[in-house]
Amino acid sequence: AQSVTQLDSHVSVSEGTPVLLRCNYSSSYSPSLFWYVQHPNKGLQLLLKYTSAATLVKGINGFEAEFKKSETSFHLTKPSAHMSDAAEYFCVVTDPTSGTYKYIFGTGTRLKVLA
Amino acid sequence: NAGVTQTPKFQVLKTGQSMTLQCAQDMNHEYMSWYRQDPGMGLRLIHYSVGAGITDQGEVPNGYNVSRSTTEDFPLRLLSAAPSQTSVYFCASSYFTGGDQDGYTFGSGTRLTVV
Repeated sequence: AQSVTQLDSHVSVSEGTPVLLRCNYSSSYSPSLFWYVQHPNKGLQLLLKYTSAATLVKGINGFEAEFKKSETSFHLTKPSAHMSDAAEYFCVVTDPTSGTYKYIFGTGTRLKVLA
Repeated sequence: NAGVTQTPKFQVLKTGQSMTLQCAQDMNHEYMSWYRQDPGMGLRLIHYSVGAGITDQGEVPNGYNVSRSTTEDFPLRLLSAAPSQTSVYFCASSYFTGGDQDGYTFGSGTRLTVV
């Protein structure tokens, strides 16, 4: 069975400092992995996805994530936080071989950016 | 604008009432799904569809019905509302590309309160 664990429910950083949001996954197959962002009272927006191509994935708004199979991790990073990055972030795993294409969501990490 | 449209945005129901949450997409996506979002639990899949006439249950289907008579529409019916169904509901859709699922496009959500 697939699962995804977001290791921090809340992360606070100062504006201009690096962001690290941690995600570990469990999957019997080579998974597809995604990061989504949700700003307050909004829907979810795709930041980036990994689908067995390059292990370092670049997304929108300066975010990137690295797929590490040996560590079963897919951590999200950004070199320099901006106030507009304050939001909730979800790590998602799916098994493209399952035939169901269902997403499994992590419980989310709320990022706070301090001025 | 192309995307996923959910209506209504807000709804208050009394226990035992029924209602339908509407979801429409104009991107010709094969896959559509309904999620509920509750604090600290991420998003949980209620029902999904891989094409017109085909639906299946997700993780938390009890108390909900769906149908998919057209590619564009995927309504979610609450049969007899209960306070436990108080939540934010998201509809999402996506393509399949070469057997791999593209990222979801999410609607802006329906905030439902059952009293």
